[in-house]
Amino acid sequence: DGGITQSPKYLFRKEGQNVTLSCEQNLNHDAMYWYRQDPGQGLRLIYYSQIVNDFQKGDIAEGYSVSREKKESFPLTVTSAQKNPTAFYLCASTQGLSSYNEQFFGPGTRLTVL
Amino acid sequence: AQKVTQAQTEISVVEKEDVTLDCVYETRDTTYYLFWYKQPPSGELVFLIRRNSFDEQNEISGRYSWNFQKSTSSFNFTITASQVVDSAVYFCALSEAQGAGSYQLTFGKGTKLSVIP
Repeated sequence: DGGITQSPKYLFRKEGQNVTLSCEQNLNHDAMYWYRQDPGQGLRLIYYSQIVNDFQKGDIAEGYSVSREKKESFPLTVTSAQKNPTAFYLCASTQGLSSYNEQFFGPGTRLTVL
Repeated sequence: AQKVTQAQTEISVVEKEDVTLDCVYETRDTTYYLFWYKQPPSGELVFLIRRNSFDEQNEISGRYSWNFQKSTSSFNFTITASQVVDSAVYFCALSEAQGAGSYQLTFGKGTKLSVIP
């Protein structure tokens, strides 16, 4: 089955630690996205990538980093510089580079900082 | 800059009632796309519908219908004869074709719908 996988589903981290969230897609999509969701805040864009080895900052990139070494993979690192990292993180992808295309979402990773 | 407003934070209805979720958007682009997504308790967003700015035709899909009005910058979503399975958070989103927001989705804050049996 084609789709987007995110792992782990739940993640706990101590303050001061970096943590990497995985996102893999087998849809052969060009563009991939990371969003953060907080209660009552909707989804906010962290980073996006339209092509391998290229990515752009979204609205709330501070404290996060990404890489896009392979078309199917777009991992997100939450660094210790992110002041309030506890949130639900969603990865998405879309076919081609058009605003017309709907985004497909993964099941999300819930990160909790202890 | 583009913006999407969903003024209704939470709505509760009794099963079989009709319910309308409001969405108002702002953009300077003349070409843009509007979307609705459903987020059930499992967390994964599910695409429901897309509308482009040149197509104001209303759409019906089963119990779902959408009313797009450029004159009021609104793209409202109605569920007819609601069911418990409709309980979810619903997001309206906007993507611009050419502006700074192209290739990106701007989401509203979502409306949580609870359908009571």
